[in-house]
Amino acid sequence: DVKVTQSSRYLVKRTGEKVFLECVQDMDHENMFWYRQDPGLGLRLIYFSYDVKMKEKGDIPEGYSVSREKKERFSLILESASTNQTSMYLCASSFAIYNEQFFGPGTRLTVL
Amino acid sequence: ELKVEQNPLFLSMQEGKNYTIYCNYSTTSDRLYWYRQDPGKSLESLFVLLSNGAVKQEGRLMASLDTKARLSTLHITAAVHDLSATYFCAVPMRFGAGTRLTVKP
Repeated sequence: DVKVTQSSRYLVKRTGEKVFLECVQDMDHENMFWYRQDPGLGLRLIYFSYDVKMKEKGDIPEGYSVSREKKERFSLILESASTNQTSMYLCASSFAIYNEQFFGPGTRLTVL
Repeated sequence: ELKVEQNPLFLSMQEGKNYTIYCNYSTTSDRLYWYRQDPGKSLESLFVLLSNGAVKQEGRLMASLDTKARLSTLHITAAVHDLSATYFCAVPMRFGAGTRLTVKP
């Protein structure tokens, strides 16, 4: 079974703080993804990575950056958190870029 | 811009009834995915549809794909309470808004 884990289930941060969300997968998948989920909007892709140190912008990359130093780990960074980044953040991985994705449990981030 | 549209967004059903959720997408894709999300949980894969005319069934759920019409359907047969969840369709890296299904006794 694919397992995708995320570092925190719940996180509360203050405006302007730098925030790190971490994701680890144990199935040697090449591809990893970060989404945010908001009511009525579904999941929106922030960034994805198809290899170590490689990244591509998704639909809503503004205010975010990512890091992939090891194949199994993909980090999402909020350089200066703002209240409109309060959301549920979901990490996913897949064997090939267009294959089905396997999701982590999510991190509910609140920015005050 | 690639769009994935689901309808309805909210669906309240009685147990034992049948219903269909529709998923339209705006550009060419030869594959489509259905996921389920229970409240407070993450998404889990339900169906992977990889070609035109593909049909897959699991229990009371059946999914189909028409790539020419850019349409997928998720048909629910004789709904039971355990099917209450939010269902998402997706083409690669693009998700619909989700359909929140509630099955009432």
